[in-house]
Amino acid sequence: GAVVSQHPSWVICKSGTSVKIECRSLDFQATTMFWYRQFPKQSLMLMATSNEGSKATYEQGVEKDKFLINHASLTLSTLTVTSAHPEDSSFYICSARDPLAGGNEQFFGPGTRLTVL
Amino acid sequence: SQKIEQNSEALNIQEGKTATLTCNYTNYSPAYLQWYRQDPGRGPVFLLLIRENEKEKRKERLKVTFDTTLKQSLFHITASQPADSATYLCALASSSGNTGKLIFGQGTTLQVKP
Repeated sequence: GAVVSQHPSWVICKSGTSVKIECRSLDFQATTMFWYRQFPKQSLMLMATSNEGSKATYEQGVEKDKFLINHASLTLSTLTVTSAHPEDSSFYICSARDPLAGGNEQFFGPGTRLTVL
Repeated sequence: SQKIEQNSEALNIQEGKTATLTCNYTNYSPAYLQWYRQDPGRGPVFLLLIRENEKEKRKERLKVTFDTTLKQSLFHITASQPADSATYLCALASSSGNTGKLIFGQGTTLQVKP
């Protein structure tokens, strides 16, 4: 199946700093990628849909100025958490669909554990 | 608003038995439904997709049913093994057109005891 990678796998930062998370589709081109957040013992919550070459579409309640998404190429989307605070500590996961695979399944990255001190 | 509920947070069964997980949804008619497996600290892994016009789908020891009248999907793992222990998530295609957006249930954590 299609492979999606994320970097870094974990990051610890101080409150007020910004953190960038990369999501790459390794063996396919993804015009659309998705960013999720998952708190402990909870399910995945969609944050935004990242569209190659255009602005991301954010879900209700997600601050677009705090969670900056850039989808500059068909294989890379980045999520930047700006001015991070302890309440932003979470597990951030990206996913992508492989349009050539013809299906609707999403392929997920391994996730990035963000801890804000 | 769309709502998805998975029957229980945790399910414990004995090795060799069949595990049955339930996913119910309301206020929506999804074009398809998917099941994913998630291990601790990892991203979800796609298992099966079933469309609204399909009643049942199988893959090896896995079977998924989709009842659009009851608004329910059942996920079965036959001849369960300790390696099947994980959290299983059901996901529905969002009603927002063909965007590919998924709405996830809260998951059921399956524990298979040897």
